[in-house]
Amino acid sequence: KAGVTQTPRYLIKTRGQQVTLSCSPISGHRSVSWYQQTPGQGLQFLFEYFSETQRNKGNFPGRFSGRQFSNSRSEMNVSTLELGDSALYLCASSSPPGGLDEKLFFGSGTQLSVL
Amino acid sequence: GQSLEQPSEVTAVEGAIVQINCTYQTSGFYGLSWYQQHDGGAPTFLSYNALDGLEETGRFSSFLSRSDSYGYLLLQELQMKDSASYFCAARRDDKIIFGKGTRLHILP
Repeated sequence: KAGVTQTPRYLIKTRGQQVTLSCSPISGHRSVSWYQQTPGQGLQFLFEYFSETQRNKGNFPGRFSGRQFSNSRSEMNVSTLELGDSALYLCASSSPPGGLDEKLFFGSGTQLSVL
Repeated sequence: GQSLEQPSEVTAVEGAIVQINCTYQTSGFYGLSWYQQHDGGAPTFLSYNALDGLEETGRFSSFLSRSDSYGYLLLQELQMKDSASYFCAARRDDKIIFGKGTRLHILP
């Protein structure tokens, strides 16, 4: 099985622009979650989707949004970029959420730099 | 608040055993997971404890005590390739919370 695929791998944007990141989960996985990773802050939960529905959202401003398509692929969008949005954005797919054997499979991430 | 606390760094010697602790700051977490992340790489799943007790997977073991709001990851027979960051994670209120990670340094 192919792993979780994230595109693009690197992205450079300027303040005020918007960006869309893409994530293709492992075949058969219907749950996709997104995280922001910055040095010293670990991974911070952005949101989770299951069967095209957002299940929950982390403590991020409304500039951060996402969606999931019927084929389970997911996108996240950040509008009006700020310097502080520079980070590694990771996507993970999993078997149905909340299961006793919950296990996240991560993509390699998109490294976003905002200048 | 809702957080998982881990030491920021741990140093150990090749061939030795090291324990990385993770403590809850609040109740309501269900199960505890551990992930390894090498520099420039993606986090990879190591283990998951749904219930109290010890789970063993090769050189890695993980322990959970829900009554003590505490868990740990135990790495045995350390190898240089184990140099990485290790994160504990748990689901609470349907949100997945990660600790800030423990950087493991291994000395030859």
